[in-house]
Amino acid sequence: GAVVSQHPSWVICKSGTSVKIECRSLDFQATTMFWYRQFPKQSLMLMATSNEGSKATYEQGVEKDKFLINHASLTLSTLTVTSAHPEDSSFYICSARDPAGQPQHFGDGTRLSIL
Amino acid sequence: RKEVEQDPGPFNVPEGATVAFNCTYSNSASQSFFWYRQDCRKEPKLLMSVYSSGNEDGRFTAQLNRASQYISLLIRDSKLSDSATYLCVVNTGTASKLTFGTGTRLQVTL
Repeated sequence: GAVVSQHPSWVICKSGTSVKIECRSLDFQATTMFWYRQFPKQSLMLMATSNEGSKATYEQGVEKDKFLINHASLTLSTLTVTSAHPEDSSFYICSARDPAGQPQHFGDGTRLSIL
Repeated sequence: RKEVEQDPGPFNVPEGATVAFNCTYSNSASQSFFWYRQDCRKEPKLLMSVYSSGNEDGRFTAQLNRASQYISLLIRDSKLSDSATYLCVVNTGTASKLTFGTGTRLQVTL
């Protein structure tokens, strides 16, 4: 089945650091990928929709200059959390839509802890 | 009002029990419906899609009532391995965006 790989799975770093998270579709081409964030005991919240070759579409309340998204190829989207602070600590998950149809396939997630 | 609402639980049931989860959604234009399962500190995994006619996959039965904007999941003969959080997920059809409920936590005990 379709596989989405996310890297790294765990990041611990100091406040002010920028962190890049990669999301790869391993056996299919994904023109659209999605980035979610999940705080403890809360639902997954869509942050942005990443479109290959064009600008990402951000959800209301998500700062595009804070969360930089690049979708330069059909198999790779990256999310960079710039100048991360403790309040950015969360579980970040990407997903990709298999062009053969729904549903979305999720990466393993990245647990980000900012000290 | 939240777009997708679920009872957070937890539901604590003994092995072998039957348990049902409910979910309501607010957007009547929603087109696709799913149940996902999420284990602690893991990514969500698709359990099953939900169709208007109702559908079954082994011990799991999902139903959709479009008129009431209501979705259900029934688990029969619960196993310890069913312990997880069950997420009700709705696609409104806009660029395949999924909206997740907060999830219902199930704990199956001996």
